[in-house]
Amino acid sequence: GNSVTQMEGPVTLSEEAFLTINCTYTATGYPSLFWYVQYPGEGLQLLLKATKADDKGSNKGFEATYRKETTSFHLEKGSVQVSDSAVYFCALSARYDSYKLIFGSGTRLLVRP
Amino acid sequence: DAGITQSPRYKITETGRQVTLMCHQTWSHSYMFWYRQDLGHGLRLIYYSAAADITDKGEVPDGYVVSRSKTENFPLTLESATRSQTSVYFCASSELDRGRETQYFGPGTRLLVL
Repeated sequence: GNSVTQMEGPVTLSEEAFLTINCTYTATGYPSLFWYVQYPGEGLQLLLKATKADDKGSNKGFEATYRKETTSFHLEKGSVQVSDSAVYFCALSARYDSYKLIFGSGTRLLVRP
Repeated sequence: DAGITQSPRYKITETGRQVTLMCHQTWSHSYMFWYRQDLGHGLRLIYYSAAADITDKGEVPDGYVVSRSKTENFPLTLESATRSQTSVYFCASSELDRGRETQYFGPGTRLLVL
């Protein structure tokens, strides 16, 4: 079945450091890929998405590119802020599977001033 | 624009009791979903619904019951709560077509089963 694997956390960075959170997936066909963010005590919010190969999703300085050849969707940000501290979830969904989201286990990011 | 709401936000119950978690969305989205979030597991799908009166099991449906008599509501019932059902529960909704399949999440319900 479909699955998502993302890097273990927590990831601890200093403010203005470069961020990469790795995400790889296993799926048949061409799923849509997502990054969701969860701030402390809140629900999940969509951060960015890509619906086909080579698409780049971007939002709030975060970017991720849908790489079909490496089945990856790594999240990057050039300069993190303290306010980016949260848990980040990589996920996929597929039309043939009723758009059910399959999530990775989440990566906690802590940004220190 | 109320979006998607869940109630209660916090609930403490005892083993064996029946508990119902409510989910309401104002967008008339076709799809609705229930997930549970547990440390180390990310979010796992319990049940989902493609439309009113259409529901189906997800990855972890045992011990849960759902119904969807109206498009905007999707209640989740724990028929006889167990300690293993202590978790944070999230409801989500989405539109039907590819490209519009982004799921929007409610704020969650924290459930403690004693």
